[in-house]
Amino acid sequence: DTAVSQTPKYLVTQMGNDKSIKCEQNLGHDTMYWYKQDSKKFLKIMFSYNNKELIINETVPNRFSPKSPDKAHLNLHINSLELGDSAVYFCASSQGERTGAYEQYFGPGTRLTVT
Amino acid sequence: GDSVTQMEGPVTLSEEAFLTINCTYTATGYPSLFWYVQYPGEGLQLLLKATKADDKGSNKGFEATYRKETTSFHLEKGSVQVSDSAVYFCALHDSGSARQLTFGSGTQLTVLP
Repeated sequence: DTAVSQTPKYLVTQMGNDKSIKCEQNLGHDTMYWYKQDSKKFLKIMFSYNNKELIINETVPNRFSPKSPDKAHLNLHINSLELGDSAVYFCASSQGERTGAYEQYFGPGTRLTVT
Repeated sequence: GDSVTQMEGPVTLSEEAFLTINCTYTATGYPSLFWYVQYPGEGLQLLLKATKADDKGSNKGFEATYRKETTSFHLEKGSVQVSDSAVYFCALHDSGSARQLTFGSGTQLTVLP
């Protein structure tokens, strides 16, 4: 059983297109996250949802829009893709404040390449 | 604000060598500390954690001790293997701040046979 899954694993697209990345967790966690990892492996948090409510919204272009249909899913939609959006995007989840366990569990990542 | 500083990589060792990756932190509250490992082409995996001062986290031969007096959480392994080649991230969760982890910049480890 995969705890945190993402689709697709690879995404190659052209500038200007719109694309979505999907994430699902089967851990029963309340909180989910999106991270961007650049080519130097630096991790930057983008968004966080707790029970479908947006709680972290870092300085990210508004071309990026997260959507959480339920607490097990957090999708990322990107409009008007740019070259600089090329990166690996990770979804993660955690139990959070309900249990005091703050470690996060990561998905396998989606490598986005914009040409 | 919170921050995590890791030793810069890359680090290259021979198999069976001793490994230390330094990690220091600043936090406004009383943090929990974590080490994550990222193998090539994969997501981050929790390697070990410690939630209070003097706690030692350990897993797969790796250890790290929460040192409040030096605000450090150095990762050690007595004898590395080629399969330990990966990127290692130190992270903290601060009880006094938002519901997120603060990550260090990562340290690339390569172990040669």
